Amino acid sequence: EAGVTQSPTHLIKTRGQQATLRCSPISGHTSVYWYQQALGLGLQFLLWYDEGEERNRGNFPPRFSGRQFPNYSSELNVNALELEDSALYLCASSLGVGGTEAFFGQGTRLTVV
Amino acid sequence: ELKVEQNPLFLSMQEGKNYTIYCNYSTTSDRLYWYRQDPGKSLESLFVLLSNGAVKQEGRLMASLDTKARLSTLHITAAVHDLSATYFCAVDINTNAGKSTFGDGTTLTVKP
Repeated sequence: EAGVTQSPTHLIKTRGQQATLRCSPISGHTSVYWYQQALGLGLQFLLWYDEGEERNRGNFPPRFSGRQFPNYSSELNVNALELEDSALYLCASSLGVGGTEAFFGQGTRLTVV
Repeated sequence: ELKVEQNPLFLSMQEGKNYTIYCNYSTTSDRLYWYRQDPGKSLESLFVLLSNGAVKQEGRLMASLDTKARLSTLHITAAVHDLSATYFCAVDINTNAGKSTFGDGTTLTVKP
């Protein structure tokens, strides 16, 4: 069974541009979570989607946004990129509200130059 | 606000030795997780601990949870080089909030 898949693996963007990151959850999982892991820092919660709706949001500016599609895949969009947005972005999925553990994808390494 | 503290943050050990990583959290929790992360890689789930006194073991790793003390431990027995990685604990205080709060991670290096 396929795990959580993320694309692209690496992404290089220029400051001010927009980045779109994609995530496909494990089949049957309805919840998708996004985390940012900046170099030398821990994981910071970004967004949680379940059943197509945003359920919770971390302490990030509005230029971080996303959506979840009917097939439960998800997109994370980062507008007006700043150098400090450079990080590993991890997506995870779980069975849904009150569900059990989340399983993580391999991540997208975003570099802003 | 939930705070999760791990210690130590860096740990260098000799092969064959035992050691314990500690994870303290500041509020009552629904569940606690331990993950492993290899350099440049994603997180691999190791353990999910759901109740006070829970103990789980996999190979040379054993995790336990004391909800009264708000403390979890990850014990390493007879370390081997393959265990070198960063270990994170993460805590959910409300499964309906959807997010886990992670500790800063413990980077473990096992030397021959």
